[in-house]
Parts: sequence; C-alpha cells; structure tokens
Amino acid sequence: GEDVEQSLFLSVREGDSSVINCTYTDSSSTYLYWYKQEPGAGLQLLTYIFSNMDMKQDQRLTVLLNKKDKHLSLRIADTQTGDSAIYFCAESLNRDDKIIFGKGTRLHILP
Amino acid sequence: GAVVSQHPSWVICKSGTSVKIECRSLDFQATTMFWYRQFPKQSLMLMATSNEGSKATYEQGVEKDKFLINHASLTLSTLTVTSAHPEDSSFYICSARDPQSAGGPSDTQYFGPGTRLTVL
Repeated sequence: GEDVEQSLFLSVREGDSSVINCTYTDSSSTYLYWYKQEPGAGLQLLTYIFSNMDMKQDQRLTVLLNKKDKHLSLRIADTQTGDSAIYFCAESLNRDDKIIFGKGTRLHILP
Repeated sequence: GAVVSQHPSWVICKSGTSVKIECRSLDFQATTMFWYRQFPKQSLMLMATSNEGSKATYEQGVEKDKFLINHASLTLSTLTVTSAHPEDSSFYICSARDPQSAGGPSDTQYFGPGTRLTVL
C-alpha cells in the first residue's frame, strides 16, 4: 500500500542548510510534494516535483528525487527563523488522485 | 494564490452534540473538496472526498453517518460531526481543488487553516 515516511524532528542553526528526507513506497507515484505547516495553520504547498524529474530548484528550496530508491529530499538554504514549521512530504499517483502525507518533520531553528 | 477558509477556527462542544464545520473556496470554484483529520504529531488522514452535487466518497474506516458531508455549491462544503464524543476531538482540515491553478500541478489542492474541535 501507499506509505510515506519521514523523520519527526530536525534541529538546524540559523544560516545553515536544512535537509529533510522522505521515503515513499509506491513507485507509481507521479507527483511528490512538500508542504509547510506553521503552528495553528493549514498546509501551504511549498514545491512539488514530477516523478520524471531528478531535481527542482526554487529560490532557497532544492528538491532531489531518487526514484530508484524512492527517496525525496528538501533542502532549505540559509535557514531562517521563519522556516520554523512542520514540513510534510506527500505523494499522489496522478493529478486527480488523493494525496498521501507523511507524519511531518518539525524543523527547529537554533540561534 | 487561491484561498480556502474554514469556519469556525475552533469549537468546544459537549459530548453528544453535533458540530458543523464549513469550508469555502474564496476566489475559485471547487468541484472537489477534501476533508482531513490530523491528530497531534500525526499526519493528515484523508476522511472523505466531497464532490459538488453528489455524495461524498469516504475512506475506509470513516463512518459516513458520523461525519456528514454536504457539498451543495461550488464554493462550500460542510462537515458535520454528529453526536460528537471526546475521541472526535481533533484538528479538521479541508482542501479544495482548483482546476484552473497555474504554476503547480493541474488540480492543485489548496488547504484551509483548519478547525480545532474539542469535545468535553
């Protein structure tokens, strides 16, 4: 079945890069997403990648996809205090399908 | 980007009462909306898919008589938790699919801010 796994907690110093990792089980997934959830708020789509891509960069965000290992990562360069949030990795089989979420990684920024 | 609102943002109710949560797409028409439930330190669990003008599709293990969903218009879906009990206390989040969204996958889902339900 579909499953998305990610570590629950990451602590990074301000100004360093944050790397959040995720693994998924369904090799048929077409879309892979990263969502950000700030305290008490809903989810914000940060970025996404199609399964036929290896990398996608958007300003401070870099997404790497290793389809063979079913591994997805999100790198946040020059991490700021405003990046403190929970980051959810997610997948869907196609654009019309439901989105399956991981449990989220809480990113804590150290001064 | 597209905006989805939820009302109320939080609600406290007595056990046995029913609670209605609204989800609205403010600047687009959403033929499909989704209802999720999130427990503390847990992921979002999809409860049901709500299609305008038709019955909702519930995920396995979700009681449709307990969680009533109505999607009466292209901008509004409601979730009613009937005869709520303390175990129904959770964070309920809706999302709406915007078929016209640009810059992302077609049919990108936009999420509401969530409703925290506490049942005493």
